[in-house]
Amino acid sequence: ILNVEQSPQSLHVQEGDSTNFTCSFPSSNFYALHWYRWETAKSPEALFVMTLNGDEKKKGRISATLNTKEGYSYLYIKGSQPEDSATYLCAFRSNTGKLIFGQGTTLQVKP
Amino acid sequence: SAVISQKPSRDICQRGTSLTIQCQVDSQVTMMFWYRQQPGQSLTLIATANQGSEATYESGFVIDKFPISRPNLTFSTLTVSNMSPEDSSIYLCSARRLAGGAAGELFFGEGSRLTVL
Repeated sequence: ILNVEQSPQSLHVQEGDSTNFTCSFPSSNFYALHWYRWETAKSPEALFVMTLNGDEKKKGRISATLNTKEGYSYLYIKGSQPEDSATYLCAFRSNTGKLIFGQGTTLQVKP
Repeated sequence: SAVISQKPSRDICQRGTSLTIQCQVDSQVTMMFWYRQQPGQSLTLIATANQGSEATYESGFVIDKFPISRPNLTFSTLTVSNMSPEDSSIYLCSARRLAGGAAGELFFGEGSRLTVL
């Protein structure tokens, strides 16, 4: 059974704080790791697709790192803003093709 | 990015009835999928919608309960049959572009939130 674990489950921060959360996934049969942002009443939106060990990707104030050997990825948000409030999902794709989602980390940024 | 229109956005249904969710993609995509998120659970793949042939179901999901159609490259439907309260979930249509390859990101509809009484 492939397990994708995200922590913490939820997070409350003040505007301006930087934060990070973790996605753990199987270290074998790795193909790709996806991060999505899902705002309430909207579609989940892809942030990053990472395929190489050591990958670091950045989009504005959000960045992500990938360690496929130990099976984890970190998502960082620098200077959180209220509009960053959302659920952040990671998904692991194995080389058998299955995409397995974690339960998500729900971030609430208070003004 | 692909735009995915999904409807209905929400519905309240009676036990024993069936509901069909429609998904329209604005451009041709190679793969279309149906996911479910039950309360407090991860997004779980129900099936891959195959154009012109039977969908490919994941373990725990069967065609009689979740019949799926995909008559062309840009349209698919999911029916939730003989509903029970356990079917109360968000159902999401998603798609992947041909150019993205197997690692390509998924595009999602806004979801259909079903409540079964």
